[in-house]
Amino acid sequence: QQQVKQSPQSLIVQKGGISIINCAYENTAFDYFPWYQQFPGKGPALLIAIRPDVSEKKEGRFTISFNKSAKQFSLHIMDSQPGDSATYFCAATAGSARQLTFGSGTQLTVLP
Amino acid sequence: NAGVTQTPKFQVLKTGQSMTLQCAQDMNHEYMSWYRQDPGMGLRLIHYSVGAGITDQGEVPNGYNVSRSTTEDFPLRLLSAAPSQTSVYFCASSYSPRVETQYFGPGTRLLVL
Repeated sequence: QQQVKQSPQSLIVQKGGISIINCAYENTAFDYFPWYQQFPGKGPALLIAIRPDVSEKKEGRFTISFNKSAKQFSLHIMDSQPGDSATYFCAATAGSARQLTFGSGTQLTVLP
Repeated sequence: NAGVTQTPKFQVLKTGQSMTLQCAQDMNHEYMSWYRQDPGMGLRLIHYSVGAGITDQGEVPNGYNVSRSTTEDFPLRLLSAAPSQTSVYFCASSYSPRVETQYFGPGTRLLVL
């Protein structure tokens, strides 16, 4: 049972464009929503994260938008660069839980 | 700091063989965990530990054993490998049980024939 649904599975964007990856969740107890970036042959690395008390968080070219009522959150990559080509995972965790629930991943390709 | 290290990087096993995937961290992290990554399924938690001598099951623990005798090491044992265990395995560690601070290792790619 997948508690965090991620789309699209793959995404191709031109350099300078905006990349948008969406995630939806069911568990209303989730209170922390990180995004991870994974390059081929490497482990995932924390990119940016948000808590449900804010609707948006921005770090450089990366922005998370959060819609608590719709139970959805998304990652926006502005001015996408070829170096952003990677697999992106959304995730969620609840309270004192010691487990991250991951989405299925989005393979992003930014064309030069 | 070396961070989180994993060995081996790649392993081929025959069905029924056993092996241990090694994970070590030099950041004095209390929390360590093992995930498997399969195409289209993201990462799924196998087992985790909140400190030496304390382990617990994650989402997909069947076929895997763990132990935590030291803070630094958290090995994952496959007792009798099956083709369904073909996957990429990641170890992660963090300062606290709040898993958002996790650091992931480079992974071990396992092929079970």
